[in-house]
Amino acid sequence: DAKTTQPTSMDCAEGRAANLPCNHSTISGNEYVYWYRQIHSQGPQYIIHGLKNNETNEMASLIITEDRKSSTLILPHATLRDTAVYYCIAGAYNTDKLIFGTGTRLQVFP
Amino acid sequence: ETGVTQSPTHLIKTRGQQVTLRCSSQSGHNTVSWYQQALGQGPQFIFQYYREEENGRGNFPPRFSGLQFPNYSSELNVNALELDDSALYLCASSWNPRGTEAFFGQGTRLTVV
Repeated sequence: DAKTTQPTSMDCAEGRAANLPCNHSTISGNEYVYWYRQIHSQGPQYIIHGLKNNETNEMASLIITEDRKSSTLILPHATLRDTAVYYCIAGAYNTDKLIFGTGTRLQVFP
Repeated sequence: ETGVTQSPTHLIKTRGQQVTLRCSSQSGHNTVSWYQQALGQGPQFIFQYYREEENGRGNFPPRFSGLQFPNYSSELNVNALELDDSALYLCASSWNPRGTEAFFGQGTRLTVV
């Protein structure tokens, strides 16, 4: 599985868009990009995943660059409840495991 | 609320003892994975069970073992506990062995003293 690199921490004002970057320069052709988040004292929560095309669901949007070496998770209108550690994971669709790094700690402030 | 429940929520054990952690997977899910999360770190994959068979294992010693039952619930057993085994143990269920859209429980916080 490809290694991912994320900033250690980020801040975002409530109501503004939170843009969380992820670098996965060694990603291979069959590897997807997954995002999970972990709110304090809870288990990780699935957010979104994608292969090549940009994806959007009710929680977030995922923008993947054309060369697939990096991606950005966008929370369009951050709320205080979005304060969490966000994990970007690159892995094959048929993988049996998720390889978590240390993630980005997003702090949303009023 | 994911529908994945773990018990107990907290546990204190003495070094050298054995512990069993339990996980009930979400309805309709046939795959359970276990992760260990040390303080300040991301979760680390221990192993996965699919239809009662081990389906992949991370870099953990044999004293970490597991079971999956016909109703797809699962147990994680750790023998000869060490201080470094103190961590949050997470269970994740999914509807197939693939890693997408895994649903995690709240975890069991194990403290070894």
